[in-house]
Amino acid sequence: DAKTTQPTSMDCAEGRAANLPCNHSTISGNEYVYWYRQIHSQGPQYIIHGLKNNETNEMASLIITEDRKSSTLILPHATLRDTAVYYCIVRFLSNFGNEKLTFGTGTRLTIIP
Amino acid sequence: DAGVTQSPTHLIKTRGQQVTLRCSPKSGHDTVSWYQQALGQGPQFIFQYYEEEERQRGNFPDRFSGHQFPNYSSELNVNALLLGDSALYLCASSLLVRQTSFDYEQYFGPGTRLTVT
Repeated sequence: DAKTTQPTSMDCAEGRAANLPCNHSTISGNEYVYWYRQIHSQGPQYIIHGLKNNETNEMASLIITEDRKSSTLILPHATLRDTAVYYCIVRFLSNFGNEKLTFGTGTRLTIIP
Repeated sequence: DAGVTQSPTHLIKTRGQQVTLRCSPKSGHDTVSWYQQALGQGPQFIFQYYEEEERQRGNFPDRFSGHQFPNYSSELNVNALLLGDSALYLCASSLLVRQTSFDYEQYFGPGTRLTVT
């Protein structure tokens, strides 16, 4: 799996959009970008994933650059409950086989009241 | 619909002892993966079980072993515990064969906090 680079920590004011960047310059054409988050002392929680098109769900939006070498996770209206460590993971997927997740150290996002 | 459950929540063991951790997957899932998360680090993949067999393994010694039962639940066993085995142990369940794009998601349990003294 391709390696990812994320900032160690970020702050965001409550109610504002939180934009979390991720670099994955060695990503290959069949690798997806996944985002998980981990709230303190809980298991990681799936947020969103994408291949090359921008994606949106009820939790967040994922913007992937045209060259796919970087992406941004957007939490549109951050709340205090969004304080967590956010992991960007690049992952090859096949139709058969749920491959392992390779976590880095992630970005610690703190939402400030 | 119950999510992934793990037991026990916390555990304290002594160096050299053996420990067994348990995981029940999300309803409908057939694959269980185990991860180790040391303090301040991201989770590290230990192994994955499907159809009662180890399907993938990470870079962990043979002291770490597992088992999957016919009902898809799983156990993680660690022998000859070392101080460095102190960590949060996470279980994740998933479907092996993709039917929708969301079938690639892995659902994590709350973890078992193991302390080795």
